[in-house]
Amino acid sequence: DAGVTQSPTHLIKTRGQQVTLRCSPKSGHDTVSWYQQALGQGPQFIFQYYEEEERQRGNFPDRFSGHQFPNYSSELNVNALLLGDSALYLCASSFSGRLSYGYTFGSGTRLTVV
Amino acid sequence: GDSVTQMEGPVTLSEEAFLTINCTYTATGYPSLFWYVQYPGEGLQLLLKATKADDKGSNKGFEATYRKETTSFHLEKGSVQVSDSAVYFCALGSNTGNQFYFGTGTSLTVIP
Repeated sequence: DAGVTQSPTHLIKTRGQQVTLRCSPKSGHDTVSWYQQALGQGPQFIFQYYEEEERQRGNFPDRFSGHQFPNYSSELNVNALLLGDSALYLCASSFSGRLSYGYTFGSGTRLTVV
Repeated sequence: GDSVTQMEGPVTLSEEAFLTINCTYTATGYPSLFWYVQYPGEGLQLLLKATKADDKGSNKGFEATYRKETTSFHLEKGSVQVSDSAVYFCALGSNTGNQFYFGTGTSLTVIP
């Protein structure tokens, strides 16, 4: 049973550009959360998608947006990239989003902004 | 707001040594507490969890007890192995939302 799949694994972008990261949740999961993990730091919550809508959002600017598709997969978009956006972006899937049901994390996308 | 403070590393231990990684939290209400482990190049894996005060989570020889009186959830293992080398994250699961609050992580290296 495939777990959470994220693509691409690595990418390099130039400051000011836009980027799209993709996530396929674990089979049976319907909720996708995105986290940003800066180097040497713990992951920080960006937002969560459930039933194709943003259900909860962390303290991130509007440059960060997302989407969830009918098959529960999700995209994270970041506009006007800054050097400080360089980080590992983690996707986590779950059933209904409830913490008690468990979350499965992907291996992440390493974004480098130059 | 909710937050987690975790012992900073890096931590280097000899094989079969005793491990403690300290974690304290600040939260409103009654959160759930977790330890996640991250191996190089991989995502986060759930190591153990506790959902209420005095609960003890355990897995693969690791243990942590949810202490409400000291707002702590320290990770312990009696005898570490080289394969335990990884980064360990303490996390709080908010009971008012569906997100985790993570500590900064503690890097553990176990040498033979």
